[in-house]
Amino acid sequence: EAGVTQFPSHSVIEKGQTVTLRCDPISGHDNLYWYRRVMGKEIKFLLHFVKESKQDESGMPNNRFLAERTGGTYSTLKVQPAELEDSGVYFCASSQELAGVNEQFFGPGTRLTVL
Amino acid sequence: QKEVEQDPGPLSVPEGAIVSLNCTYSNSAFQYFMWYRQYSRKGPELLMYTYSSGNKEDGRFTAQVDKSSKYISLFIRDSQPSDSATYLCAMSLGGDYKLSFGAGTTVTVRA
Repeated sequence: EAGVTQFPSHSVIEKGQTVTLRCDPISGHDNLYWYRRVMGKEIKFLLHFVKESKQDESGMPNNRFLAERTGGTYSTLKVQPAELEDSGVYFCASSQELAGVNEQFFGPGTRLTVL
Repeated sequence: QKEVEQDPGPLSVPEGAIVSLNCTYSNSAFQYFMWYRQYSRKGPELLMYTYSSGNKEDGRFTAQVDKSSKYISLFIRDSQPSDSATYLCAMSLGGDYKLSFGAGTTVTVRA
Protein backbone atom coordinates (compact mmCIF):
# COMPACT_ATOMS: atom_id res chain seq x y z
CA GLU A 1 0.00 0.00 0.00
CA ALA A 2 1.41 3.39 -1.00
CA GLY A 3 1.91 5.90 1.78
CA VAL A 4 1.14 9.59 1.83
CA THR A 5 3.03 11.37 -0.94
CA GLN A 6 3.85 15.04 -1.21
CA PHE A 7 5.10 17.13 -4.09
CA PRO A 8 7.47 18.86 -4.47
CA SER A 9 9.95 17.63 -1.89
CA HIS A 10 11.67 21.00 -1.88
CA SER A 11 10.70 24.42 -3.22
CA VAL A 12 12.74 27.62 -3.24
CA ILE A 13 10.86 30.78 -4.19
CA GLU A 14 11.26 34.51 -3.80
CA LYS A 15 9.16 36.61 -1.50
CA GLY A 16 5.96 37.63 -3.24
CA GLN A 17 5.77 34.58 -5.47
CA THR A 18 3.14 31.88 -5.36
CA VAL A 19 3.73 28.24 -4.46
CA THR A 20 1.37 25.29 -4.55
CA LEU A 21 2.03 22.18 -2.51
CA ARG A 22 0.30 18.91 -3.25
CA CYS A 23 -0.59 15.98 -1.01
CA ASP A 24 -1.89 12.59 -2.07
CA PRO A 25 -3.29 10.74 0.94
CA ILE A 26 -3.48 7.00 1.40
CA SER A 27 -6.28 5.67 -0.77
CA GLY A 28 -9.56 5.46 1.12
CA HIS A 29 -8.57 7.86 3.89
CA ASP A 30 -11.30 10.43 4.48
CA ASN A 31 -9.27 12.57 6.90
CA LEU A 32 -6.51 14.75 5.52
CA TYR A 33 -4.44 17.13 7.64
CA TRP A 34 -1.87 19.82 6.89
CA TYR A 35 0.81 20.69 9.44
CA ARG A 36 3.84 22.97 9.32
CA ARG A 37 7.14 23.07 11.15
CA VAL A 38 9.09 26.30 11.06
CA MET A 39 12.75 26.27 12.08
CA GLY A 40 13.29 25.56 15.76
CA LYS A 41 9.60 25.22 16.54
CA GLU A 42 7.20 22.36 17.04
CA ILE A 43 5.00 20.93 14.29
CA LYS A 44 1.81 22.98 14.20
CA PHE A 45 -1.60 22.09 12.83
CA LEU A 46 -2.93 24.09 9.88
CA LEU A 47 -6.18 22.44 8.83
CA HIS A 48 -8.23 19.25 8.60
CA PHE A 49 -10.38 17.97 5.74
CA VAL A 50 -12.99 15.28 6.02
CA LYS A 51 -13.44 14.18 2.45
CA GLU A 52 -13.78 17.48 0.55
CA SER A 53 -15.06 19.54 3.51
CA LYS A 54 -12.91 21.69 5.79
CA GLN A 55 -13.54 20.32 9.28
CA ASP A 56 -11.14 22.60 11.11
CA GLU A 57 -9.06 25.42 9.65
CA SER A 58 -8.21 27.09 12.96
CA GLY A 59 -4.48 26.76 12.35
CA MET A 60 -4.32 28.60 9.03
CA PRO A 61 -2.09 31.63 9.72
CA ASN A 62 -3.77 34.12 7.40
CA ASN A 63 -5.65 34.52 4.13
CA ARG A 64 -2.49 34.10 2.08
CA PHE A 65 -2.96 30.36 2.58
CA LEU A 66 -5.61 28.52 0.61
CA ALA A 67 -6.24 24.79 0.90
CA GLU A 68 -8.45 22.71 -1.33
CA ARG A 69 -9.41 19.08 -1.60
CA THR A 70 -11.52 18.73 -4.70
CA GLY A 71 -13.37 15.44 -4.94
CA GLY A 72 -12.10 14.34 -1.56
CA THR A 73 -8.90 12.85 -2.94
CA TYR A 74 -5.66 14.83 -3.19
CA SER A 75 -5.24 18.24 -1.59
CA THR A 76 -3.35 21.38 -2.51
CA LEU A 77 -2.06 24.15 -0.27
CA LYS A 78 -1.36 27.42 -2.04
CA VAL A 79 0.62 30.26 -0.52
CA GLN A 80 0.09 33.58 -2.29
CA PRO A 81 2.02 35.81 -1.95
CA ALA A 82 4.74 33.99 -0.01
CA GLU A 83 6.52 35.80 2.83
CA LEU A 84 9.86 35.02 4.49
CA GLU A 85 8.15 33.64 7.61
CA ASP A 86 6.37 31.00 5.51
CA SER A 87 9.63 29.06 5.21
CA GLY A 88 9.48 25.66 6.87
CA VAL A 89 8.51 22.06 6.29
CA TYR A 90 4.89 21.41 5.36
CA PHE A 91 3.59 17.97 6.28
CA CYS A 92 0.45 16.28 5.11
CA ALA A 93 -1.14 13.40 7.00
CA SER A 94 -4.13 11.18 6.37
CA SER A 95 -6.14 8.84 8.54
CA GLN A 96 -9.12 6.54 8.63
CA GLU A 97 -10.48 5.16 11.88
CA LEU A 98 -9.92 1.44 12.33
CA ALA A 99 -11.02 -0.45 15.47
CA GLY A 100 -11.22 2.76 17.47
CA VAL A 101 -7.75 3.93 16.49
CA ASN A 102 -7.27 6.90 14.19
CA GLU A 103 -3.59 6.84 13.30
CA GLN A 104 -2.38 9.77 11.26
CA PHE A 105 0.10 8.68 8.59
CA PHE A 106 2.49 11.44 7.59
CA GLY A 107 4.08 12.19 4.27
CA PRO A 108 7.78 13.10 3.94
CA GLY A 109 7.02 16.81 3.85
CA THR A 110 7.70 19.68 1.46
CA ARG A 111 10.58 21.91 2.48
CA LEU A 112 9.67 25.48 1.50
CA THR A 113 12.31 28.18 1.42
CA VAL A 114 11.23 31.76 0.78
CA LEU A 115 14.11 34.11 -0.08
CA GLN B 1 2.84 28.80 28.03
CA LYS B 2 3.15 26.17 25.31
CA GLU B 3 0.38 23.59 25.09
CA VAL B 4 2.93 20.74 25.03
CA GLU B 5 6.42 20.97 26.51
CA GLN B 6 9.19 18.59 25.51
CA ASP B 7 12.89 18.81 26.30
CA PRO B 8 14.59 19.15 22.89
CA GLY B 9 17.80 17.47 24.11
CA PRO B 10 19.90 16.34 22.35
CA LEU B 11 20.25 13.06 24.20
CA SER B 12 23.23 10.76 23.58
CA VAL B 13 23.36 7.27 25.12
CA PRO B 14 25.47 4.14 24.65
CA GLU B 15 23.99 1.12 22.91
CA GLY B 16 21.96 -1.01 25.31
CA ALA B 17 21.03 1.88 27.61
CA ILE B 18 17.48 2.81 28.57
CA VAL B 19 16.25 5.98 26.92
CA SER B 20 13.72 8.02 28.86
CA LEU B 21 11.70 10.74 27.14
CA ASN B 22 8.90 12.83 28.54
CA CYS B 23 6.42 15.59 27.85
CA THR B 24 4.15 17.72 29.93
CA TYR B 25 0.98 19.39 28.74
CA SER B 26 -1.45 22.03 29.91
CA ASN B 27 -4.79 21.00 28.35
CA SER B 28 -6.52 18.52 30.66
CA ALA B 29 -9.01 17.70 27.89
CA PHE B 30 -6.44 15.73 25.88
CA GLN B 31 -7.53 12.09 25.64
CA TYR B 32 -5.19 10.50 23.10
CA PHE B 33 -1.44 10.44 23.53
CA MET B 34 1.07 9.43 20.91
CA TRP B 35 4.78 9.10 20.36
CA TYR B 36 6.14 9.57 16.86
CA ARG B 37 9.65 8.83 15.60
CA GLN B 38 11.12 10.94 12.84
CA TYR B 39 14.26 10.18 10.90
CA SER B 40 16.08 12.93 9.05
CA ARG B 41 14.25 14.17 5.94
CA LYS B 42 11.31 11.84 6.62
CA GLY B 43 7.83 12.36 8.00
CA PRO B 44 6.88 11.39 11.56
CA GLU B 45 6.03 7.71 12.04
CA LEU B 46 3.70 6.54 14.80
CA LEU B 47 5.37 4.45 17.52
CA MET B 48 2.85 4.27 20.34
CA TYR B 49 -0.81 5.26 20.66
CA THR B 50 -2.46 5.44 24.09
CA TYR B 51 -5.96 6.40 25.13
CA SER B 52 -6.32 8.06 28.55
CA SER B 53 -4.09 7.11 31.49
CA GLY B 54 -2.03 3.98 31.92
CA ASN B 55 0.88 2.06 30.51
CA LYS B 56 1.34 0.42 27.14
CA GLU B 57 4.17 -1.84 26.09
CA ASP B 58 5.25 -2.82 22.59
CA GLY B 59 8.48 -4.74 22.36
CA ARG B 60 11.30 -2.55 23.65
CA PHE B 61 9.02 0.49 23.92
CA THR B 62 6.86 1.46 26.89
CA ALA B 63 4.55 4.47 26.96
CA GLN B 64 3.15 5.87 30.19
CA VAL B 65 0.40 8.45 30.64
CA ASP B 66 -0.36 10.17 33.93
CA LYS B 67 -3.31 12.46 33.32
CA SER B 68 -3.43 13.64 36.93
CA SER B 69 0.06 15.11 36.50
CA LYS B 70 -0.38 15.93 32.80
CA TYR B 71 2.80 13.99 32.10
CA ILE B 72 3.62 11.34 29.52
CA SER B 73 6.75 9.25 29.06
CA LEU B 74 8.36 6.94 26.56
CA PHE B 75 10.99 4.41 27.55
CA ILE B 76 13.19 2.57 25.08
CA ARG B 77 14.92 -0.49 26.53
CA ASP B 78 18.08 -2.05 25.10
CA SER B 79 18.53 0.93 22.78
CA GLN B 80 20.08 0.30 19.36
CA PRO B 81 21.90 2.66 16.96
CA SER B 82 18.86 2.32 14.68
CA ASP B 83 16.82 4.04 17.40
CA SER B 84 18.75 7.25 16.71
CA ALA B 85 16.05 9.70 15.60
CA THR B 86 13.91 12.58 16.78
CA TYR B 87 11.07 11.51 19.06
CA LEU B 88 7.94 13.65 19.13
CA CYS B 89 5.13 13.46 21.63
CA ALA B 90 1.69 14.38 20.36
CA MET B 91 -1.77 14.51 21.81
CA SER B 92 -5.33 15.23 20.76
CA LEU B 93 -8.79 15.82 22.13
CA GLY B 94 -10.35 13.02 20.11
CA GLY B 95 -9.64 10.26 17.68
CA ASP B 96 -9.77 12.30 14.50
CA TYR B 97 -8.84 15.66 15.94
CA LYS B 98 -5.75 17.69 15.17
CA LEU B 99 -2.52 16.73 16.91
CA SER B 100 -0.64 19.05 19.25
CA PHE B 101 3.06 18.26 19.16
CA GLY B 102 6.01 18.73 21.44
CA ALA B 103 9.18 20.19 19.94
CA GLY B 104 10.82 16.75 19.67
CA THR B 105 13.86 15.24 21.38
CA THR B 106 16.82 14.19 19.24
CA VAL B 107 18.30 10.90 20.44
CA THR B 108 21.64 9.41 19.38
CA VAL B 109 22.49 5.85 20.38
CA ARG B 110 26.27 5.29 20.19
CA ALA B 111 27.51 1.87 19.05
